[in-house]
Amino acid sequence: QVQLKESGPGLLKPSETLSLTCSVSGGSINSYYWSWIRQPPGKGLEWIGYVYYSGSTSYHPSLKSRVTISVDTSKNQFSLKLNSVTAADTAMYYCARGGILTGFIYFDYWGQGTLVTVSS
Amino acid sequence: EIVMTQSPATLSVSPGERATLSCRASQSVSNHLAWYQQKPGQAPRLLIYGASTRATGIPARFSGSGSGTEFTLTISSLQSEDFAVYYCQQYYLWPPLTFGGGTKVEIK
Repeated sequence: QVQLKESGPGLLKPSETLSLTCSVSGGSINSYYWSWIRQPPGKGLEWIGYVYYSGSTSYHPSLKSRVTISVDTSKNQFSLKLNSVTAADTAMYYCARGGILTGFIYFDYWGQGTLVTVSS
Repeated sequence: EIVMTQSPATLSVSPGERATLSCRASQSVSNHLAWYQQKPGQAPRLLIYGASTRATGIPARFSGSGSGTEFTLTISSLQSEDFAVYYCQQYYLWPPLTFGGGTKVEIK
């Protein structure tokens, strides 16, 4: 059974960099797309971006200038960095596994989520 | 960006009744449509992909239909554990991958 778990600081100040890591267990990170998705309190889901196991990436256009997603296949992990955070970045952050094939990126495994709060 | 619109925002249903949730795409997404269920304090769970294929372990009372721009998730006989928020997601054209705003299914 594939399991994902997010880790990283839960409280940031405005202008700092959000850094999260997703550890994948029970399966290989190879051959899949791996995404970060966030959900502000009481609101809906927003896809942030993905990294393919090969290292190729795709980002939400509205976040592209601030986001970097990377993969470390040797550790079976992938990571999110979001620069210059503001209160609007306060959300539950989920990591999730996407499809194995391009064009079929729906999310069949999710982490439990980690709440990141941005406050001065 | 493909905008996904879900209706209604809230659906009040009695246990044992049928629930019908709608999702509309701003342009055709073929059948590249997934549905998720999210309960309070939990991550979303994949229910349906390919507009109509149930994910592993999903009960048969959940069914999906539609193609192009109009999609429906039907829960044939609501159980207590089905009261939750449901999201649709298109994976036809990205970036960005986009979700609908959600439909909350509540007890009537």
